[in-house]
Amino acid sequence: NSKVIQTPRYLVKGQGQKAKMRCIPEKGHPVVFWYQQNKNNEFKFLINFQNQEVLQQIDMTEKRFSAECPSNSPCSLEIQSSEAGDSALYLCASSFRQNSDYTFGSGTRLLVI
Amino acid sequence: QQQVRQSPQSLTVWEGETAILNCSYEDSTFNYFPWYQQFPGEGPALLISISSVSDKKEDGRFTIFFNKREKKLSLHITDSQPGDSATYFCAARFYGGSGNKLIFGTGTLLSVKP
Repeated sequence: NSKVIQTPRYLVKGQGQKAKMRCIPEKGHPVVFWYQQNKNNEFKFLINFQNQEVLQQIDMTEKRFSAECPSNSPCSLEIQSSEAGDSALYLCASSFRQNSDYTFGSGTRLLVI
Repeated sequence: QQQVRQSPQSLTVWEGETAILNCSYEDSTFNYFPWYQQFPGEGPALLISISSVSDKKEDGRFTIFFNKREKKLSLHITDSQPGDSATYFCAARFYGGSGNKLIFGTGTLLSVKP
């Protein structure tokens, strides 16, 4: 019963297709994170926001991923051109402050075929 | 290099036994260490955490032991229950830095047999 809501739970895309997933953070949490968890349980930080502003992001996110957290709308993470290596569980998390513990959603499992 | 390592990769204990999960890190600037529990099909959930000013943190059946000098932690689960069967992740960060990014280990898969 996660308070962070992620949709869809599963996403299947062909290589080169766009893949978009959404996240509604826990109420009152202005800080949002996206992580990628691969089949080897390796977590990769992708990007984080405070309100609508990007705090940090990795190079991969800058080049092939786009993410936003508009006010009064779900946050989103979109892969512009999916690759097989993007197949993973994408986790959204939110927190009250930058240094607070965060709450994860159940994730969107992306399969790129 | 920012790395967090966990061992063993998998662990099986009998119901009622104590499970011991290990974690080590390299970056001496890390000063906050949360442990997450993840069940299949779910996201990780915060279980218990410790800051580097403490050497022990207890919450019910879950205890973290922290050795700052050796850069090692361990999570002890006493009186293990089948419902504790999950993957446990040790994570680390510099508490007080901007961004609050966590560095995760690759987890220990715990199986508790009834």
